[in-house]
Amino acid sequence: DIQMTQSPSSLFASVGDRVTITCRPSQSISDYLNWYQQKPGKAPNLLIFTASNLQSGVPSRFSGRGSGTDFTLTISSLQPEDFATYYCQQSYSTPYSFGQGTKLEIK
Amino acid sequence: QVQLQESGPGLVKPSETLSLTCTVSGDSISRLYWSWIRQPPGKGLEYIGYIHYSGSTNYSPSLKSRVTISLDTSNNQFSLKLTSVTAADTAVYYCARHRGGYSFGPIDYWGQGTPVTVSS
Repeated sequence: DIQMTQSPSSLFASVGDRVTITCRPSQSISDYLNWYQQKPGKAPNLLIFTASNLQSGVPSRFSGRGSGTDFTLTISSLQPEDFATYYCQQSYSTPYSFGQGTKLEIK
Repeated sequence: QVQLQESGPGLVKPSETLSLTCTVSGDSISRLYWSWIRQPPGKGLEYIGYIHYSGSTNYSPSLKSRVTISLDTSNNQFSLKLTSVTAADTAVYYCARHRGGYSFGPIDYWGQGTPVTVSS
C-alpha cells in the first residue's frame, strides 16, 4: 500500500495569509493526486484533481502542484470559510489511500 | 444534480454484520465507479473499496476478508457488507462516486455520511 504523509498536521493562520500544505507519498504516483476539503460534520469536497486541476466551482485561490513524490496545496489568500481539514489522496494504485489530514485553524 | 444517500442501522453488535445501502439519484449506477470510504471518530479517511457497473470490485487488503460491495441496478443502489465487526469498525461511512469512468477518477460526489457504532 502507498502511505501518504501530509505536513503539517495542523496549521494556524490568519485571514489573508498564504498557506501551503505538503503531501508526500511513499512511492512515486505520477500526478494521480487529489485534494479534498472537509468541514466538521460534512463530507469531504473535491478541490484539486490530478495534482493541479481545479475542480469546477472551487475558488481560484486554491492551487495544486507537484508530481512523483512531492505535492503541495496552496491557498493564496485565506478566507474565513477556508478553515477546515484538508486531505490528499492518491489514485495511482489501490487501495486509494488518504493522507492523515491537515487541520487549518484560525490564529 | 447527483445525490448519494447512505442508509442502514446506526448500531451494530460486535461480531455481527454491518450492512449499508447507498441510493443514487441524478445518475445511473450502470456506469462509472462507486466507492465506500469510512472515517473513525476524530480520525482521517480510510478507503474501503469500489465497485464498477460491470460488477468488478476492489477492496482494501486490510478489510478484504470481511468486505463485500454489490450493486442493485433495479433500485439504482449499491451496498456495503462488513462481517465480524468490532469496535474498531465504528465510523462514519460515506458512499461516493468516481468521476470520469475510471476507478482512479477523483471522487466528485459524496453521500452525507452515516454514523455506525459497534457496541453491545
